[in-house]
Order: sequence, then structure tokens, then C-alpha cells
Amino acid sequence: VQLVESGGGLVQPGGSLSLSCEGSGFTFRNYEMNWVRQAPGKGLEWVAYITGRSGSIYYADSVRGRFSISRDNAKNSVYLQMNSLRVEDTGVYYCASRINDFNYYNYGMDVWGQGTTVTVSS
Amino acid sequence: DIQMTQSPSSVSASVGDRVTITCRASQDISDWLGWYQQKPGKAPKLLIYAASSLQSGVPSRFSGSGSGTDFSLTISSLQPEDFATYYCQQANSFPLTFGGGTKVDMK
Repeated sequence: VQLVESGGGLVQPGGSLSLSCEGSGFTFRNYEMNWVRQAPGKGLEWVAYITGRSGSIYYADSVRGRFSISRDNAKNSVYLQMNSLRVEDTGVYYCASRINDFNYYNYGMDVWGQGTTVTVSS
Repeated sequence: DIQMTQSPSSVSASVGDRVTITCRASQDISDWLGWYQQKPGKAPKLLIYAASSLQSGVPSRFSGSGSGTDFSLTISSLQPEDFATYYCQQANSFPLTFGGGTKVDMK
């Protein structure tokens, strides 16, 4: 069971970036997915959530209207499209899910990717 | 939004010590609370879910308790590999929110 993020990089304020997270070792379409980020030297911040069939989507207030989460179950992948990026969006972005034993957000996130780094700077 | 307040923000302890971290929710979250451990440069690791259930593979020296608004994580006998930062997270409703973290370092 594995999640692998990609797509991070350096972008100017106001720019856009798209992150990807590919899952393996489990039936991807059956599982909810989250994006969680961490600014340098700071704590964890949940960013976005999507259900297995994309029927429910939620965002943190800090990104709503700028970020968009989506998934392609045929490619075992979840995406985070980030627009109108701000300096404060800088950080490591993780995808995470509840995979083992329970398949519901109430039970926490037990599988995490290694993270991909986004730097927003001029 | 539900605010999660952790205390203390840091604690200095020795190997073998009993360490307790508390987390308070700004409203009733039943027992929908998780605890995570994070080491520098690594992804968080789920230790406890549903306030008191030990995640598979996590040592039994870790335990969680509480319900409603007040929760705690206890490490019964601190081991060298337990020096890390710990976060609580409410899993009751969206937006999901984390506490500010508690850094456990060596005395």
C-alpha cells in the first residue's frame, strides 16, 4: 500500500501548479483521499478531501475558491490544482487516506505519501 | 470550524518517563479524534484513532483517552524513538483540523 506525490516546484505568486498522488497496492476507487500541507517549521493543515466516486468534496477555508481536488480512478490518482498561489501556500503537500480496517475519514489517516514541496516565491 | 488546542506546546522528558499530552476541542466531537507522531522530514504516522483505539503496529505504551471536548495521549514509558512532535486531529466534521503540535524532546 503506497501513495506517491509529484508535481511540486517553484512558482511565482499568482501562479498555478498541479499536484498528483498515485496510489498502489489497494483498490483506489474505494477510498477517500485527502491533501494535507505543512508550512516550513509549522504544524499540519488539512487542505482538501474527496470521496471515492467524487460525490463529496470539501476544502479548508484558506484554499476554497483557489484550489480544486479531483481524481481519476482509472489512473489510481488524485490531483490538487492550485491557482492564485500565495507565499503562504509554501510547504510540503501530502496526500493521505484511511486504507486499513476502515474506509471512512472519522478513523483518521493511516497511509501517507512522502510529500512534495511547493515553494511560492518571486 | 472546530478549533483544536494542544498543550503543552513542548515537553522535555527522559527515557522511561510517563508523558501526557492534552487536546481540547472547541465543541463536542464525540470520540472522533486521532493522534499522530511526526519526526523531522517524515510524514505523520497515525498512532490512535477514535480517541482510544490503537492503530495496528503501534506499541502499547501509547494510549489515548477522552470524549466530547477533552482528550489526552499518554506515553507510559518514553523510548528513544518517541522523541518527536505529536498532533491531535478532529475527525468529526469538515473542515478537518489539527492541533498546533507538541514537541517532545530530551531533557
